[in-house]
Amino acid sequence: GAGVSQTPSNKVTEKGKYVELRCDPISGHTALYWYRQSLGQGPEFLIYFQGTGAADDSGLPNDRFFAVRPEGSVSTLKIQRTERGDSAVYLCASSSSQAETQYFGPGTRLLVL
Amino acid sequence: DQQVKQNSPSLSVQEGRISILNCDYTNSMFDYFLWYKKYPAEGPTFLISISSIKDKNEDGRFTVFLNKSAKHLSLHIVPSQPGDSAVYFCAASASPQGGSEKLVFGKGTKLTVNP
Repeated sequence: GAGVSQTPSNKVTEKGKYVELRCDPISGHTALYWYRQSLGQGPEFLIYFQGTGAADDSGLPNDRFFAVRPEGSVSTLKIQRTERGDSAVYLCASSSSQAETQYFGPGTRLLVL
Repeated sequence: DQQVKQNSPSLSVQEGRISILNCDYTNSMFDYFLWYKKYPAEGPTFLISISSIKDKNEDGRFTVFLNKSAKHLSLHIVPSQPGDSAVYFCAASASPQGGSEKLVFGKGTKLTVNP
């Protein structure tokens, strides 16, 4: 079956601009996670959704970052007033429940110039 | 402060030999551990996991060992194959307290298996 998909695969933007990153989880998965991976580091947790609600957003670095999952399936990560330090690979993962294995998408590579 | 540490950034082994990747953790609340494999330009792929109630889990060529007293786990790959060349991430999570199973990752170890 189809895995987790993320669009776009690459995004180049200028400092100060707004970006949206999209995640399509595996069909039927209720839990969805966003992580960020900087160069030379492991993925770092950003936010977790159970259904439509953000159950844990403790990893969001500041209020420029926001994520939604309005219908409990597709999620969008939104970054306002981008900064060069936001450049990273943004990974999305989903699982059939909060206690099950997380399956990752290919990521969106964001470059802020 | 890193809660999950992979102290070897890289490892090189000969095809057919055993690869041993190590991981240490500091948070005693962690009770579930996973290994992911990552190829360039792809997302991490789940490999194998272990619960803290076990000390060993095996799946084909891959075995994970957990030493809770030492807060140490290792991944053994035997025999190693060139296709195993990738970055391996160790990850850990704590039981849901409010419903999140967020994973905490190490920095990864790049494994190269030479033919």
